[in-house]
Amino acid sequence: GAVVSQHPSWVICKSGTSVKIECRSLDFQATTMFWYRQFPKQSLMLMATSNEGSKATYEQGVEKDKFLINHASLTLSTLTVTSAHPEDSSFYICSAARGAVNYGYTFGSGTRLTVV
Amino acid sequence: DQQVKQNSPSLSVQEGRISILNCDYTNSMFDYFLWYKKYPAEGPTFLISISSIKDKNEDGRFTVFLNKSAKHLSLHIVPSQPGDSAVYFCAASGDGGSSNTGKLIFGQGTTLQVKP
Repeated sequence: GAVVSQHPSWVICKSGTSVKIECRSLDFQATTMFWYRQFPKQSLMLMATSNEGSKATYEQGVEKDKFLINHASLTLSTLTVTSAHPEDSSFYICSAARGAVNYGYTFGSGTRLTVV
Repeated sequence: DQQVKQNSPSLSVQEGRISILNCDYTNSMFDYFLWYKKYPAEGPTFLISISSIKDKNEDGRFTVFLNKSAKHLSLHIVPSQPGDSAVYFCAASGDGGSSNTGKLIFGQGTTLQVKP
């Protein structure tokens, strides 16, 4: 089955530093990757959609200069939270798609970011 | 603007009985619906999906019903098992735009507890 690996699973960083989260599709090529954020007891909120080799499309209200997304290959997408602040503390989840939505999306295991 | 809503934050059922989780949506352009199961600090795992051309899809203990006129879908789990205890998210896709980005819009989730 399709597997998406997300690392790290948790990270604690100091305010003002940057954190990079990796999302890899292990056994398939992901034409599109999505990045979500989930605050406690809330829904998964889509942050951005990234296609290999092109710029990510950000959802309204998401700062593209703060949340840098790189989709350098069909198997790897990275999300970098720049100059992190405590309000950025959240659960970040990626998902990878092999094609249209009815082919199914596979989610990574998520990254718990805590900014202190 | 919450396009996908799960109005019941929690549900408790006895083992062996039926669990019914509900989801409502507002965007009539959605054409594909999915249910995901999520444990704390993990990414969602896909359960079952349904296309808007169908009104029912069944997979083992899980059945999803879609009522397009009411913009309502439900997930039935029967018989419920303690291992089903988790947060269940419904998601919708298909914005009907010129290019279907395939992005998913999630509901807020319903926490299901199945008591032994």
